[in-house]
Amino acid sequence: GAVVSQHPSWVICKSGTSVKIECRSLDFQATTMFWYRQFPKQSLMLMATSNEGSKATYEQGVEKDKFLINHASLTLSTLTVTSAHPEDSSFYICSARAGVETQSSYNEQFFGPGTRLTVL
Amino acid sequence: AQKITQTQPGMFVQEKEAVTLDCTYDTSDQSYGLFWYKQPSSGEMIFLIYQGSYDEQNATEGRYSLNFQKARKSANLVISASQLGDSAMYFCAMSSDYSSASKIIFGSGTRLSIRP
Repeated sequence: GAVVSQHPSWVICKSGTSVKIECRSLDFQATTMFWYRQFPKQSLMLMATSNEGSKATYEQGVEKDKFLINHASLTLSTLTVTSAHPEDSSFYICSARAGVETQSSYNEQFFGPGTRLTVL
Repeated sequence: AQKITQTQPGMFVQEKEAVTLDCTYDTSDQSYGLFWYKQPSSGEMIFLIYQGSYDEQNATEGRYSLNFQKARKSANLVISASQLGDSAMYFCAMSSDYSSASKIIFGSGTRLSIRP
């Protein structure tokens, strides 16, 4: 199946710094990528949807200036947590959706392995 | 607005037994997709099974089957012959697009523990 990678897999940073997380589709072109956030023992909450070459669409309650998303190519989307604070500590997961050329019976989302962010 | 409800926060099942994980959903859309994902302790989201709202047959994938009851708006996951490796969090999810996995919303999850 299609593979999505995330880098880094985990990161620890000081409060006030910015952290960039990369999401790559390795063997397909992703027209759309999604960013989720998961707190411990909770479900995944969609943060934003990004389409290649256009601005991301953020879910209600998600600060777009805090969580900068760039989808500059069909294989790469980045999430930058700006001026991170301890409450931003979470598990961030991306997913990618292929274009219409997929062989699937439906246009499946493929999930990355996640990035664990800890802000001290 | 769409909503997914999983009422079982945790379940314990004996190895080799079958287990049913409950999921109900709410939507006013006619076209939608229903998914089940498995999340082991490593954190990765593993796709298990998909059911489209217009699919008349229940979806099956190996030991997984989805008991789709459209009138009751339920999409329960059945795992047959459970194995120790099935211990994980299980999320029911829904997309608003039948044929394309667009925005997906997730339920709160069920933690399944398999006893040897």
